[in-house]
Amino acid sequence: DPKIIQKPKYLVAVTGSEKILICEQYLGHNAMYWYRQSAKKPLEFMFSYSYQKLMDNQTASSRFQPQSSKKNHLDLQITALKPDDSATYFCASSHPGQSNERLFFGHGTKLSVL
Amino acid sequence: GEQVEQLPSILRVQEGSSASINCSYEDSASNYFPWYKQEPGENPKLIIDIRSNMERKQIQELIVLLDKKAKRFSLHITDTQPGDSAMYFCAARVNSGGSNAKLTFGKGTKLSVKS
Repeated sequence: DPKIIQKPKYLVAVTGSEKILICEQYLGHNAMYWYRQSAKKPLEFMFSYSYQKLMDNQTASSRFQPQSSKKNHLDLQITALKPDDSATYFCASSHPGQSNERLFFGHGTKLSVL
Repeated sequence: GEQVEQLPSILRVQEGSSASINCSYEDSASNYFPWYKQEPGENPKLIIDIRSNMERKQIQELIVLLDKKAKRFSLHITDTQPGDSAMYFCAARVNSGGSNAKLTFGKGTKLSVKS
């Protein structure tokens, strides 16, 4: 029973198109993140949000835009898709203030850009 | 930002033997060091972690060692089993003082346990 739900699990897109990756967490966490994993750069941090506010952005391109409509939602909009964007995108969450602030990952969305 | 180096990238061991993975970090402000196991097609799962106020932590067959002076930490799996075969990632978190658990990951170690 996954507590961090990512949709869709697989996504195929054409170059130049726009897609939205969905993430909802039911762990009661206040912080959410996006990470990207590809053969070139395993588990790369992209964004962090806390209480729906952007805390950190390590993504150079403005084509990647996180969207948080609720505390337990953090979607990722990607515009003008490129083949290099092909990767598995993992949403994650944590509970700031806990002694170890452990990070938990969703099952990922595997994006293929043709 | 923080950089984490992880070695080896590939590790093959015989069932029942021990496996060791080593990581190093650069930022002395890093204070939290988790290890994740990732099986093919799955998400990374936290298996053990250690904070900077500890030097050693053990959970069953998993042992983590932390040497803050050398900025190194390591994972040791004793009595390896075929089910331990997976990718393993170390990570480090800098104590930024804010509500941010941003982790910097190593590049991973592919462990294969042969029976």
